Amino acid sequence: AQSVTQLDSHVSVSEGTPVLLRCNYSSSYSPSLFWYVQHPNKGLQLLLKYTSAATLVKGINGFEAEFKKSETSFHLTKPSAHMSDAAEYFCVVSDLSNTGKLIFGQGTTLQVKP
Amino acid sequence: GAVVSQHPSRVICKSGTSVKIECRSLDFQATTMFWYRQFPKQSLMLMATSNEGSKATYEQGVEKDKFLINHASLTLSTLTVTSAHPEDSSFYICSATPLGGGGATDTQYFGPGTRLTVL
Repeated sequence: AQSVTQLDSHVSVSEGTPVLLRCNYSSSYSPSLFWYVQHPNKGLQLLLKYTSAATLVKGINGFEAEFKKSETSFHLTKPSAHMSDAAEYFCVVSDLSNTGKLIFGQGTTLQVKP
Repeated sequence: GAVVSQHPSRVICKSGTSVKIECRSLDFQATTMFWYRQFPKQSLMLMATSNEGSKATYEQGVEKDKFLINHASLTLSTLTVTSAHPEDSSFYICSATPLGGGGATDTQYFGPGTRLTVL
C-alpha cells in the first residue's frame, strides 16, 4: 500500500534561512508525489509534483523537491524562508488504483520567525 | 486558471438540520471531484469520490446516507450533511480534476473549504 510519512510535525526557521521539510514515501511502484501548502482556514495550493520525469522538481514561490528513489524520500526545500511561507505543508502520494485518489501525510507546520 | 470555489465558506446550523455545500470548478470541467474532511490540526481525510452522472464512491466508514453527494454537472458537485450533529462540525474541502484526467499523475485543484459548525 502507498503511504507517506512526514518526519517533522513542526519546523521553525528564521526569516532568510533555508527550509527543509522531510517526507518519506512507501510504494511498490514509481509513485506520483506532490507537495501542497495550506494557509490557515484556506484550501490547498499545489507547490509542485513529481511524475517520473526529472528527479529535481521546481515549484512555485522558490520551493523545490528532489525525488530520491534509493532513500524513498521527497524532501521539500527553499533556500531562503519568507514570513509568508508560514503555513501547513502536506506531502502527498497518488493511490496506485489510478482513480486519482490522494494519500496525505500528517502535515508539517512551518513557523517563520522574524 | 484551474480555480475551484466552495459555497458557503462558513455555516452555522442547529443540530438536526441539513446543510448543503457546493463545489464548483470555475474555469474547467471536472471529470472527478473529491470531498475531504479535516479536523483541527490534522490532515485531510478523503470522504468520497464523485464522478459526474454516477453515484459517488464512499470511503470505508463514511455514511453515505448522512453525507449525500450529487455531481449533476461537470462543474458542480454538492455535499449535503443530513441531520447534522455537533460531531459533524469540521472543515470540508473539495477538489476537482480536469476533464480527461483523474489518473494518478493528474493534479487536483482544491477549493478554499467550508467551515461547518453544528450547535
